[in-house]
Amino acid sequence: AQTVTQSQPEMSVQEAETVTLSCTYDTSESDYYLFWYKQPPSRQMILVIRQEAYKQQNATENRFSVNFQKAAKSFSLKISDSQLGDAAMYFCAYRSPYNTNAGKSTFGDGTTLTVKP
Amino acid sequence: DVKVTQSSRYLVKRTGEKVFLECVQDMDHENMFWYRQDPGLGLRLIYFSYDVKMKEKGDIPEGYSVSREKKERFSLILESASTNQTSMYLCASGRLLGTDEQFFGPGTRLTVL
Repeated sequence: AQTVTQSQPEMSVQEAETVTLSCTYDTSESDYYLFWYKQPPSRQMILVIRQEAYKQQNATENRFSVNFQKAAKSFSLKISDSQLGDAAMYFCAYRSPYNTNAGKSTFGDGTTLTVKP
Repeated sequence: DVKVTQSSRYLVKRTGEKVFLECVQDMDHENMFWYRQDPGLGLRLIYFSYDVKMKEKGDIPEGYSVSREKKERFSLILESASTNQTSMYLCASGRLLGTDEQFFGPGTRLTVL
């Protein structure tokens, strides 16, 4: 079974600065998908960014980028130019592409990000 | 836009009551999921369904059951609510295969007194 570990329960960053959230995972599969989700306070969880394991290029979405190290099984999220609206809980998630897992995702325990003005 | 809705944002029930949490999605997704979210424990999968009338146990199914009579609707049932089921419950939907993410509802914060 896959596991996802987020070793930082809480992080803080000054507005306009850069922060990196860590995520490691364990799997024996060679192909899979990785996601970062954002859950703002009292609001719906939404996707931030996704990475397909067979793609070597790191995914980027505006101020959000990932550092995907497949051999090390590491998938960190970098937030540049942090904004107050980035304050949220962030979840890392792993998804197998195989039908036997029926599209389930395994989530980490989350990292609460505080953005200081 | 994909929309996943849950029947209640806040719910207060008494110990021993039967509780129904409803979830509806409008994107014709095959998969639907119920999670509970507790501080320090992340998201834990209770049950999921990959087709109408099909269900699979997740990591913590004890004390819960589910129903999926229509593709768009997935219900979580607490047969006899207990105080340790006080939690935030999140519903999600997604495609069976492919790279798509899961789409989440707003959550139901259930308090069992």
